[in-house]
Amino acid sequence: AQTVTQSQPEMSVQEAETVTLSCTYDTSENNYYLFWYKQPPSRQMILVIRQEAYKQQNATENRFSVNFQKAAKSFSLKISDSQLGDTAMYFCAFMIVGTASKLTFGTGTRLQVTL
Amino acid sequence: SQTIHQWPATLVQPVGSPLSLECTVEGTSNPNLYWYRQAAGRGLQLLFYSVGIGQISSEVPQNLSASRPQDRQFILSSKKLLLSDSGFYLCAWSGTSGGFYNEQFFGPGTRLTVL
Repeated sequence: AQTVTQSQPEMSVQEAETVTLSCTYDTSENNYYLFWYKQPPSRQMILVIRQEAYKQQNATENRFSVNFQKAAKSFSLKISDSQLGDTAMYFCAFMIVGTASKLTFGTGTRLQVTL
Repeated sequence: SQTIHQWPATLVQPVGSPLSLECTVEGTSNPNLYWYRQAAGRGLQLLFYSVGIGQISSEVPQNLSASRPQDRQFILSSKKLLLSDSGFYLCAWSGTSGGFYNEQFFGPGTRLTVL
């Protein structure tokens, strides 16, 4: 079975600063995807960034980037130039290729961006 | 464009009462459909998924059941609710294009409180 662990229940960052959210996972599979989802107070789940396990290059999406360490099974999210609108729960998730796109989620990190 | 609807948005039910939550998708055909539950302070847990009409897979043993009577309709039910069924229920869909990856898109959710 696959597991996803987010060891930081809550984090805080000042506006315009950089913050890194941690995620580790455990799997014996070799072909998978990793994701970060954002859940703002509206509770709508929003995909932030995706990483294919077969790609060595770390994914980036504007102010969001990941540090994917496949051997260590680590997948951290870096948010640069934090904005008040980044305040949300952030979930790390995992999907094995060929399994009907099922997602396994971590328990989440609540990020508060302050002035 | 595709949209996903869930209703009701909020529900308060007594212990032992029945439950029916509905999810419908528009603008696509033959999607994969998913039900997740998010308990307070926890991540999303996949409850059921469906790859076609009448095809339901259960991920965890529980008091709930799911049905897919039409291609783009997914229903979550219970005959007798338990206190532990309280939570935020999210429906999601993904395409089935046959590639390695199909993104999941989430509905707005239903907040269920069992008293």
